[in-house]
Amino acid sequence: QVQLVQSGAEVREPGASVRVSCKASGYTFTNYYIHWVRQAPGQGLEWMGGINPNGVSTRNAQKFEGRVIMTRDTSTSTVYMELRRLTSEDTAVYYCARGVAATMTTYFQHWGQGTLVIVSS
Amino acid sequence: EIVLTQSPGTLSLSPGERATFSCRTSQSVSSSYLAWYQHRPGQAPRLLIYGASSRAAGIPDRFSGSGSGTDFTLTISRLQPEDFAVYFCQHYGSSPTFGGGTKVEIK
Repeated sequence: QVQLVQSGAEVREPGASVRVSCKASGYTFTNYYIHWVRQAPGQGLEWMGGINPNGVSTRNAQKFEGRVIMTRDTSTSTVYMELRRLTSEDTAVYYCARGVAATMTTYFQHWGQGTLVIVSS
Repeated sequence: EIVLTQSPGTLSLSPGERATFSCRTSQSVSSSYLAWYQHRPGQAPRLLIYGASSRAAGIPDRFSGSGSGTDFTLTISRLQPEDFAVYFCQHYGSSPTFGGGTKVEIK
């Protein structure tokens, strides 16, 4: 079955960067986009961007342009999301998610377990 | 960017009651691109409905979705204890966006 397993919780100081990983299994890794969605405390879900593991095509939400970098390692079926220049407002649970088609525009059928990132001095 | 507005913010209901959630989009969208998720604390979101009205695999038939244009609705016919959670709508266009969520709490 499809599984997305994320890396563990992270604590960073303001101004630092964080990288979260999402290891996929149970399907052909290069056939589906992986997206990143976050939820800050008391807030709703926020889409950050997506990456096509096949051709390294990425699309980010305008809010995160220039600050988020998504990469993939096809040898380990892992996608990485790096967020730079962290502020306290980046404290959130970060999820990776996969759709049901080989396009950007799909709903998210499968989700990782979430990674808590705390930004604090 | 399409903005999704959910109402009410919180619903206080008892098990067995009917729950109705609203999701309004800032511009008309294809119903093919509207989804609903359930989110329980400490868990990953769970897909309930896609294409505005199609139930995802394994979702009980007490969950139903409807709507078109700018107004969409999620209905739970009879609330079960495990249904008390937060519900989000999503437009999954080229730049996906989520509504702010509706929390269903036990009355």
